[in-house]
Amino acid sequence: SQQGEEDPQALSIQEGENATMNCSYKTSINNLQWYRQNSGRGLVHLILIRSNEREKHSGRLRVTLDTSKKSSSLLITASRAADTASYFCATGNTDKLIFGTGTRLQVFP
Amino acid sequence: DVKVTQSSRYLVKRTGEKVFLECVQDMDHENMFWYRQDPGLGLRLIYFSYDVKMKEKGDIPEGYSVSREKKERFSLILESASTNQTSMYLCASSGPVPLAGGSYEQYFGPGTRLTVT
Repeated sequence: SQQGEEDPQALSIQEGENATMNCSYKTSINNLQWYRQNSGRGLVHLILIRSNEREKHSGRLRVTLDTSKKSSSLLITASRAADTASYFCATGNTDKLIFGTGTRLQVFP
Repeated sequence: DVKVTQSSRYLVKRTGEKVFLECVQDMDHENMFWYRQDPGLGLRLIYFSYDVKMKEKGDIPEGYSVSREKKERFSLILESASTNQTSMYLCASSGPVPLAGGSYEQYFGPGTRLTVT
């Protein structure tokens, strides 16, 4: 059962622009994680936001969480070609995570 | 650095063959997971394991089995491969210290792209 749905499914931007991708989930959560996947590779953890947090920053990443709307967004500022990847949100209150369907981001030089 | 390795990056098998996908992690993690990833469907959990010799079904266990004889190794077995099992298979591990909020960061291997013909 898919917990998260990312939107948009695909996003193309120019270097230097900001990229925003959204995640909606279905049930209550303790926290939400974002992962990145380079083409043909495994996923890498980016950031976690707890349910009592509304916003969190890490470098060029900004994550927001709205538990009333059951949604989260990931903003990548001043994007670079190296940010080209798929991005997934993941929820889970224990050891097991449920991943969304992902947003494919393409950043053109 | 945590390292999760998978035995093959690419694998081609014939329908009906028995297929073994191996995953090894070097961080003494208790938890290990097998996912398959298909376009438009994201990652779907096949099986996971909390400890040696323990296994739990995920969302799509049909047609698969697993083995965890040692803590560092988690094997996925396709008893009789079928064409609908053509997919990218990802192994992950996590533990022992959770992130804030009780969830664990999962560390992924590079994936095995399996083609069944």
